[in-house]
Amino acid sequence: NAGVMQNPRHLVRRRGQEARLRCSPMKGHSHVYWYRQLPEEGLKFMVYLQKENIIDESGMPKERFSAEFPKEGPSILRIQQVVRGDSAAYFCASSGQGGNTIYFGEGSWLTVV
Amino acid sequence: GQNIDQPTEMTATEGAIVQINCTYQTSGFNGLFWYQQHAGEAPTFLSYNVLDGLEEKGRFSSFLSRSKGYSYLLLKELQMKDSASYLCAVRSNQAGTALIFGKGTTLSVSS
Repeated sequence: NAGVMQNPRHLVRRRGQEARLRCSPMKGHSHVYWYRQLPEEGLKFMVYLQKENIIDESGMPKERFSAEFPKEGPSILRIQQVVRGDSAAYFCASSGQGGNTIYFGEGSWLTVV
Repeated sequence: GQNIDQPTEMTATEGAIVQINCTYQTSGFNGLFWYQQHAGEAPTFLSYNVLDGLEEKGRFSSFLSRSKGYSYLLLKELQMKDSASYLCAVRSNQAGTALIFGKGTTLSVSS
């Protein structure tokens, strides 16, 4: 998983604030995926993006959550008006064309207090 | 719907061999992945199978039978550091190239 960079690693937000999580894919990768992992649960797919395009957002909650992957810069997962239930680890992964190897970043741990 | 099943927990001793099974029902199939995840860390890629058969990589091997919707991860010569969660994931056409994960199998290796 070397090369997929996520920040911040840990983030604490009060209820109602906004959380922004950033992901820089591995060099040469143009596909980015966001997953959420709750304690004792599996990784849940949220959204799949390519540069400037959202390919599949079927796992993304309809409200408060948004994602982007601009032409320049990292992919951003944005959570508005956070609630306690948003507390989780958010993992970003990237792959090249074909996606035969998908590598994960170290994750961003969000705690909502 | 899409469903990926694997045992919740397994235990084994150092030096032994363990097989972690995974069955899946998905609307399409475009590859099966295994990842290792230590507590509090990121998943680490272990293997990828898209054709039937066995893929061997050092102490780890992964097998796939598409007709049975079945895969297993085989770990040989177990070491204490192999204690981790092992995640089975399927890429189905329905999800583009995103992966759908099972809940993972927590393996505990004892001396």
